Amino acid sequence: EVQLVESGGGLVQPGGSLRLSCAASGFTFSGSWMSWVRQARGKGLEWVANIKQDGSEIYYVDSVKGRFTISRDNAKNSLYLHMSSLRAEDTALYYCARARNPTFDLWGRGTLVTVSS
Amino acid sequence: DIVMTQSPDSLAVSLGERATINCRSSQSVLYSSNNKNFLGWYQQKPGQPPKLLIYWASTRESGVPDRFSGSGSGTDFTLTISSLQAEDVAVYYCQQYYGIPYTFGQGTKLEIK
Repeated sequence: EVQLVESGGGLVQPGGSLRLSCAASGFTFSGSWMSWVRQARGKGLEWVANIKQDGSEIYYVDSVKGRFTISRDNAKNSLYLHMSSLRAEDTALYYCARARNPTFDLWGRGTLVTVSS
Repeated sequence: DIVMTQSPDSLAVSLGERATINCRSSQSVLYSSNNKNFLGWYQQKPGQPPKLLIYWASTRESGVPDRFSGSGSGTDFTLTISSLQAEDVAVYYCQQYYGIPYTFGQGTKLEIK
């Protein structure tokens, strides 16, 4: 089955760190651009980061630059998002998505990150 | 950043009637080298992740019913549901993939009248 499954979310204090993971199956992960997209409760969608198939190109939304790091392990069919210096405004459901130009054609169900003291 | 603005914010349509959602980008998302609009449409039902409906502004994703269609070019786009079904109740988003950061519209909530 073609799917993406996120994990690693949870409650973290402001200024803390968290690493999200996304396990891919059913398709050629190493052949796909991958992304993280987030959605605050009751709000719209916000693209967070993209990574090329071999990790040679990486892009971030300005609000997470210097705090978040996207990475991948093609041998493990896994995508990661390391988040540090977390803020209350980072609270959201984080989706892993396959990026197929020009859109996101496969999504996981998300993992919830809550930043609160 | 390219700002995507959808209208209306919410919409109530009778079953079997046409639903139309508009999306405007703050700059053109038409890529001149291939004459394609880097614009997609998504459907998000409560408690579910978004689902891709349309890409290249007008190409239906595999498995999407043909009552869904996309049109437009440059900066103005439309998602049309030709005959609304009960299962189409959802929030719909447009998204541009032309420039980084990739951006979404604020969403349009579609309900049954």
